[in-house]
Amino acid sequence: RKEVEQDPGPFNVPEGATVAFNCTYSNSASQSFFWYRQDCRKEPKLLMSVYSSGNEDGRFTAQLNRASQYISLLIRDSKLSDSATYLCVVIPSGTYKYIFGTGTRLKVLA
Amino acid sequence: GAGVSQSPRYKVAKRGQDVALRCDPISGHVSLFWYQQALGQGPEFLTYFQNEAQLDKSGLPSDRFFAERPEGSVSTLKIQRTQQEDSAVYLCASSSRGRHNQPQHFGDGTRLSIL
Repeated sequence: RKEVEQDPGPFNVPEGATVAFNCTYSNSASQSFFWYRQDCRKEPKLLMSVYSSGNEDGRFTAQLNRASQYISLLIRDSKLSDSATYLCVVIPSGTYKYIFGTGTRLKVLA
Repeated sequence: GAGVSQSPRYKVAKRGQDVALRCDPISGHVSLFWYQQALGQGPEFLTYFQNEAQLDKSGLPSDRFFAERPEGSVSTLKIQRTQQEDSAVYLCASSSRGRHNQPQHFGDGTRLSIL
């Protein structure tokens, strides 16, 4: 079993839709979590950190469920420009290295 | 503003050749990371430096891979006797402190193709 698992998609959604991605992790002692966005042939860019209390940034909401060991990303009112791959990142306890999921591809359709 | 800079952007080498990939982190960033990203996959950790000290090299796939950061700023990832399976995008990232909750900032990557 991979340390961090994501549904690779693709998720094809119409503009204006709400879409949610989940990411599960196996190491219960993991300490930090992030969502990154990666456009085709570009570098990953930080979208948001994920906190235990949940956090929101505009149309994006991230949540952490430690008991079930998953994090989620919700995108409301999808825009064409949201089309990208969304990478879930987990940092295991005692390390600084990122463990990435395979990424979930999102395509927002006009 | 200056982000993480990597060079070359693209590198084509014949199997068996040695290659060197360079990373210029954001000025003042203490932590530097190298990742390898295969097509359709998420990046995979290779190695981590805090200043000039290589604290974790557990992700280096073989002893053909070597990384250094002698003055605690620029880093070089060297691959000796390249093989076709080394073809991938090599990403460098830096963060401001050696803390797990500091986000990492990535460079554009070096796209390596081994013929």
